[in-house]
Amino acid sequence: DAKTTQPNSMESNEEEPVHLPCNHSTISGTDYIHWYRQLPSQGPEYVIHGLTSNVNNRMASLAIAEDRKSSTLILHRATLRDAAVYYCILRGYSGGGADGLTFGKGTHLIIQP
Amino acid sequence: DTGVSQNPRHKITKRGQNVTFRCDPISEHNRLYWYRQTLGQGPEFLTYFQNEAQLEKSRLLSDRFSAERPKGSFSTLEIQRTEQGDSAMYLCASSLLQSSGNTIYFGEGSWLTVV
Repeated sequence: DAKTTQPNSMESNEEEPVHLPCNHSTISGTDYIHWYRQLPSQGPEYVIHGLTSNVNNRMASLAIAEDRKSSTLILHRATLRDAAVYYCILRGYSGGGADGLTFGKGTHLIIQP
Repeated sequence: DTGVSQNPRHKITKRGQNVTFRCDPISEHNRLYWYRQTLGQGPEFLTYFQNEAQLEKSRLLSDRFSAERPKGSFSTLEIQRTEQGDSAMYLCASSLLQSSGNTIYFGEGSWLTVV
């Protein structure tokens, strides 16, 4: 799997937007960009994914650079419950082979009240 | 609750004992994954099934580990002769194989402490 680079930690204030960056300069043309988050003592939770175009869902937005070598997860209005480790993962869809997720260390997001 | 279910949630065992974890995936999900996570690290892939077939095993899965999915529904992960280094959270996940980057859904995890 292609590698991603994320800051170890970020801090933000409650009710403010949060932009979590991810670099993936070796991304291939068929790699999807997935974001998961993991709250303390819980399993990872799917947040959003995209291929080329920006994506929005009820949890977040994903902005993908035109060259796809970087992306940004945007939480529009952070709450204390958004404090978690956020993982940016590249996932190629092979259709038949292994397609498990390869997690890095992620970004530990701290939300200040 | 229609999510991935794992049992038991917590297990404390003595070194050398065998332990078994069970995972019930989301209904009709044909892929099932096992991961292991230690403190401060991201989850590490162990193995996955498509229906009842075990298609890939990580090098992390030593001979003491065995996973099964006999009828393509629930799965078990057994650890024989546990060692202190096996202490971790064991995560199960499932997905439905489809064409648009199938999303993987995780359970809450099963915590193992080997004393």
